[in-house]
Amino acid sequence: DAKTTQPPSMDCAEGRAANLPCNHSTISGNEYVYWYRQIHSQGPQYIIHGLKNNETNEMASLIITEDRKSSTLILPHATLRDTAVYYCIVSYGQNFVFGPGTRLSVLP
Amino acid sequence: DTGVSQDPRHKITKRGQNVTFRCDPISEHNRLYWYRQTLGQGPEFLTYFQNEAQLEKSRLLSDRFSAERPKGSFSTLEIQRTEQGDSAMYLCASSWGDRGPNTEAFFGQGTRLTVV
Repeated sequence: DAKTTQPPSMDCAEGRAANLPCNHSTISGNEYVYWYRQIHSQGPQYIIHGLKNNETNEMASLIITEDRKSSTLILPHATLRDTAVYYCIVSYGQNFVFGPGTRLSVLP
Repeated sequence: DTGVSQDPRHKITKRGQNVTFRCDPISEHNRLYWYRQTLGQGPEFLTYFQNEAQLEKSRLLSDRFSAERPKGSFSTLEIQRTEQGDSAMYLCASSWGDRGPNTEAFFGQGTRLTVV
């Protein structure tokens, strides 16, 4: 079973920041937090991952709380092409277990 | 290297037939994963390999399913005596991992199986 919980859906206005929350209260000390997204009919796409420090790359930022029990994925300027299902996963050295994810709709 | 590739992209088969899918991972990746995804659900883990060794299999992987990764390179997933419930997208992914954490996994575009 997935070790994360996410809201089933969210809306975001185009050009605004999209903040996607994820709870992972049972995360182990060595487990990383990974974010993927899946656009309709395509394979999941890696976005970002981190352990305890905040991370940023060209796609997004990942904010992990100090107790590591939750995290937030931030898409700084959402576009219509960011409409997708976003998955938060915790993992260390084993398979990736996907939950149902959050369906993000970016609205014009 | 253009990423993880899967073949075929689509497969329609009659119930009871056997099908085989192929996955070519990113060349430097030692880990390879198979997932199944049905409409409206997240991907469900089936099995994974580290090099040629199959390290974990899900309960979803019934005895009609078999996966191989000879020589630790490409992998095949075979479904024998297909059933309509096997209709799904079959996804392959690869990553690098040793004793430490995984690097990010990269997914292929999947093989969509329809059993009629």
